[in-house]
Amino acid sequence: AQSVTQPDIHITVSEGASLELRCNYSYGATPYLFWYVQSPGQGLQLLLKYFSGDTLVQGIKGFEAEFKRSQSSFNLRKPSVHWSDAAEYFCAVGAWTGFQKLVFGTGTRLLVSP
Amino acid sequence: DAGVTQSPTHLIKTRGQQVTLRCSPKSGHDTVSWYQQALGQGPQFIFQYYEEEERQRGNFPDRFSGHQFPNYSSELNVNALLLGDSALYLCASSLFPGGTTKYGYTFGSGTRLTVV
Repeated sequence: AQSVTQPDIHITVSEGASLELRCNYSYGATPYLFWYVQSPGQGLQLLLKYFSGDTLVQGIKGFEAEFKRSQSSFNLRKPSVHWSDAAEYFCAVGAWTGFQKLVFGTGTRLLVSP
Repeated sequence: DAGVTQSPTHLIKTRGQQVTLRCSPKSGHDTVSWYQQALGQGPQFIFQYYEEEERQRGNFPDRFSGHQFPNYSSELNVNALLLGDSALYLCASSLFPGGTTKYGYTFGSGTRLTVV
């Protein structure tokens, strides 16, 4: 069965510091991987996605993620965090059974300190 | 161009009641998926509709049912509500067969259901 693990429930980063959010997945085939961000009371906004090709993926808001097949990881990074980045971040894998569904991790809450 | 629209935004129901949530997909999208997000959890897949048929279903009881209309909009119905059904219900639209197209998934802001 497909699964996604986000080992960090909360992370606090100082504004201007770099950020890395961890994501490990379990999937039997080539994964389709996504990172979403959710602000309080809001829906999910797609930051970036990986389907194939270059393992370093660029997204919106200055985020990037690197797919490492050998480690079954898809970690999200940002070189310099802004206070507006404080939110909940979800990693997801697209699972195929004829149609595609998303399997999400439990999320990492990012807090940004001044 | 409107994204995914969900209604209502908030809802309070009593245990045992029935509820209907509505979703209008993004223009051009033909597939609608529903997710349940309990507090402090990631979204869990409920089911997916395409061409007015349920195409796949997650691990949810039959109390959860849905419908897709010819205009691609969708409803999620939950019968015999339990306290544990309290959650944010998210609708996501996409273009067949799923989010691997360049358009990906578009999520609505959700309906917050509270069961008391």
